Amino acid sequence: DTEVTQTPKHLVMGMTNKKSLKCEQHMGHRAMYWYKQKAKKPPELMFVYSYEKLSINESVPSRFSPECPNSSLLNLHLHALQPEDSALYLCASSQGTEYSNQPQHFGDGTRLSIL
Amino acid sequence: GNSVTQMEGPVTLSEEAFLTINCTYTATGYPSLFWYVQYPGEGLQLLLKATKADDKGSNKGFEATYRKETTSFHLEKGSVQVSDSAVYFCALRSRMDSSYKLIFGSGTRLLVRP
Repeated sequence: DTEVTQTPKHLVMGMTNKKSLKCEQHMGHRAMYWYKQKAKKPPELMFVYSYEKLSINESVPSRFSPECPNSSLLNLHLHALQPEDSALYLCASSQGTEYSNQPQHFGDGTRLSIL
Repeated sequence: GNSVTQMEGPVTLSEEAFLTINCTYTATGYPSLFWYVQYPGEGLQLLLKATKADDKGSNKGFEATYRKETTSFHLEKGSVQVSDSAVYFCALRSRMDSSYKLIFGSGTRLLVRP
């Protein structure tokens, strides 16, 4: 069982819809991450939150909007997405960004399809 | 910059065969090294890690040794099972990199036949 929980597992949306992806962890981790993974590729980092503050945005288009309401929750708000945004979206957490020897723990992801 | 190179897949083996998946890295300083596994339809699971030279990470019969002299972290298992079929990612995190990035290799697909 994964300790990082993502909902929903699958999401189909039109290009004009607004939806949100949710991620939750109860390991006391202070760093949380969003990744995008296309088929047969490694995950690509999108955003990093450290102590509930956005610390990295990897030049992600503004149609993706992250939010960290508290240290256990991470959301990704989606609006006006494009077909090429269809992918597996993975959330991860780690003890803290300053601990380079600590692993990131991943959720099972949300598989997003844009019609 | 930092990078990870993995052997091209897919790797196809018969059950109980010996597995090696090669991983080499380029990094400043002394990175921490990780192997993740991704089963079909799932997220990434940490398989093992090593944080300093000559450390050996092990889990579920898999092993990898941090070799500073060859900048390698090859994954091995003595006897694979059908249930080991998955994609394996080697990754590093550099202490010198303030971007907090986990640098992944391209992934190696393993297919184990009965």
